[in-house]
Amino acid sequence: GAGVSQSPRYKVAKRGQDVALRCDPISGHVSLFWYQQALGQGPEFLTYFQNEAQLDKSGLPSDRFFAERPEGSVSTLKIQRTQQEDSAVYLCASSSYAGGPGLEQFFGPGTRLTVL
Amino acid sequence: AQSVTQPDIHITVSEGASLELRCNYSYGATPYLFWYVQSPGQGLQLLLKYFSGDTLVQGIKGFEAEFKRSQSSFNLRKPSVHWSDAAEYFCAVGASSNTGKLIFGQGTTLQVKP
Repeated sequence: GAGVSQSPRYKVAKRGQDVALRCDPISGHVSLFWYQQALGQGPEFLTYFQNEAQLDKSGLPSDRFFAERPEGSVSTLKIQRTQQEDSAVYLCASSSYAGGPGLEQFFGPGTRLTVL
Repeated sequence: AQSVTQPDIHITVSEGASLELRCNYSYGATPYLFWYVQSPGQGLQLLLKYFSGDTLVQGIKGFEAEFKRSQSSFNLRKPSVHWSDAAEYFCAVGASSNTGKLIFGQGTTLQVKP
């Protein structure tokens, strides 16, 4: 079956541009996560959705970052007025169960964002 | 605060040799622990996980890990490394929240010499 897909795989933006990153989770998965992975670092949590509800956005670094999942499936992470420090790989993960500390998460290949 | 430390940033082993990747965690209760592998251009793939019970857990691709509460460690091992094991390995702990978010270490890059 299809795994988690993300698009675009690569995005180059000029500083100050807005970008939108898409995540298609595994069909039927309830939970959806976004992580940010800077070069040479481990992924860091950004936000969590349970169906269409955004239950945790504690990891979003600034109010320039916004995520949505309006119908409880596809999710979009939007970054406004991009800055060079936003350059990273953005990973999406989904899980078939609702939130809890032991969730097995299935990761997409990520979107590599480069801000010039 | 919860955290995960992977002391080795880069490890090189010869093909056929044994492997141990170290992971130390900071967590108040019994942790939910994971090892993921990331190959270039690929997403993270789960190797194995520990929730409770037997402290030696078996995973995919011949990997195993041992949970040692006294040392706050969850080291990953493989008896004989294959060239295809070259990748980046991440240890993670499930945060004590109702979301299931993961806290990752900074990763260990494994290079395999022929």
